[in-house]
Amino acid sequence: SAVISQKPSRDICQRGTSLTIQCQVDSQVTMMFWYRQQPGQSLTLIATANQGSEATYESGFVIDKFPISRPNLTFSTLTVSNMSPEDSSIYLCSVGAGAYEQYFGPGTRLTVT
Amino acid sequence: GENVEQHPSTLSVQEGDSAVIKCTYSDSASNYFPWYKQELGKRPQLIIDIRSNVGEKKDQRIAVTLNKTAKHFSLHITETQPEDSAVYFCAASNSGNTPLVFGKGTRLSVIA
Repeated sequence: SAVISQKPSRDICQRGTSLTIQCQVDSQVTMMFWYRQQPGQSLTLIATANQGSEATYESGFVIDKFPISRPNLTFSTLTVSNMSPEDSSIYLCSVGAGAYEQYFGPGTRLTVT
Repeated sequence: GENVEQHPSTLSVQEGDSAVIKCTYSDSASNYFPWYKQELGKRPQLIIDIRSNVGEKKDQRIAVTLNKTAKHFSLHITETQPEDSAVYFCAASNSGNTPLVFGKGTRLSVIA
């Protein structure tokens, strides 16, 4: 499986500010995904990030709030913009490895005060 | 779109007993069904998966069954141990490297 890292691992931010989360993979992957896990909840897909194209967002998530970059096949960023306490969650990137499998990064635990 | 239902939401078993978690899905086009284990404060870990061309898959104490006609799949853990205590998520997707739709999770507690 791919080795996936995320930065930062956790952060506490003031409302109204923005945070950019980085996801780095040790091998080239076509598909990268960003998920949100609210406290005590399941995982919800935010968007799919393909290199060289605009990210595809799920219903309820918009580019202005969660801009995503995918500059190459090993890296992606997710920005959480104009944060409010409701954005407090764990944000996870995942990558497709092999034909079907997906593996997750360690996550970024965000607290907005 | 796909909807995945997972039951039960919590499950407590005695050490050594078996645990079964069940999921149903709505999209007949789904053909990949992974299971993830998430320990407190850690990332989800893929523990087993099954594709639509097989009905059962085993890996030591863990097995997954799939009934495509009924659109349900299950995780079976035998001889449970305290380290099996975690939240387990089922998921579904309809092709390789496409987004997963997750169930709401099952919190498994194995009592020593």
